[in-house]
Amino acid sequence: ETGVTQTPRHLVMGMTNKKSLKCEQHLGHNAMYWYKQSAKKPLELMFVYSLEERVENNSVPSRFSPECPNSSHLFLHLHTLQPEDSALYLCASSQDPRDATNEKLFFGSGTQLSVL
Amino acid sequence: AQSVAQPEDQVNVAEGNPLTVKCTYSVSGNPYLFWYVQYPNRGLQFLLKYITGDNLVKGSYGFEAEFNKSQTSFHLKKPSALVSDSALYFCAVRDGGSSASKIIFGSGTRLSIRP
Repeated sequence: ETGVTQTPRHLVMGMTNKKSLKCEQHLGHNAMYWYKQSAKKPLELMFVYSLEERVENNSVPSRFSPECPNSSHLFLHLHTLQPEDSALYLCASSQDPRDATNEKLFFGSGTQLSVL
Repeated sequence: AQSVAQPEDQVNVAEGNPLTVKCTYSVSGNPYLFWYVQYPNRGLQFLLKYITGDNLVKGSYGFEAEFNKSQTSFHLKKPSALVSDSALYFCAVRDGGSSASKIIFGSGTRLSIRP
């Protein structure tokens, strides 16, 4: 185990539903990330929180809404998604994004999302 | 802008043979380069990184990677492949002058090792 836990592992939702993905890290890290993984495409960086402040938002549609209530927890709130949003959503954490010598991402196992 | 390319969707190797998974990158400053591996139904796991120093970097599970500045490449290698090495491999890069959060990943290369 990497110390990063994601729930649920699988999620099926309709286009009008509202759901949330949860990520929790037990590593004492200061930064947390959301990535989207689609088949045969580069991993897409969606959001980054460093010390609970959002530092990256890569032009993600507003139907994805992140929340980082503390340094151990990260949520991705979903509403009115489209079928093309179906993908594996990965959460990651790192110790301190300002320290390159310690730079390493720890990933959760992901949430496989299917939008019908 | 920074980018990373993995030109092969799939690499097939016989067990015991050497393997190479290719990666090329583009950054405006000094590159920080990474390899990650993803086993089925799991998240990505860190294998190795190049920040500075020796061009040949050794990592987990007997893997190594060679940084080649003139060819802007960071190919992953292993002298003798194992069936258990079969997985999806991702190369990643960030510009050393940019925020540490801006790590960009490639599209992945599926490595298949046949017995």
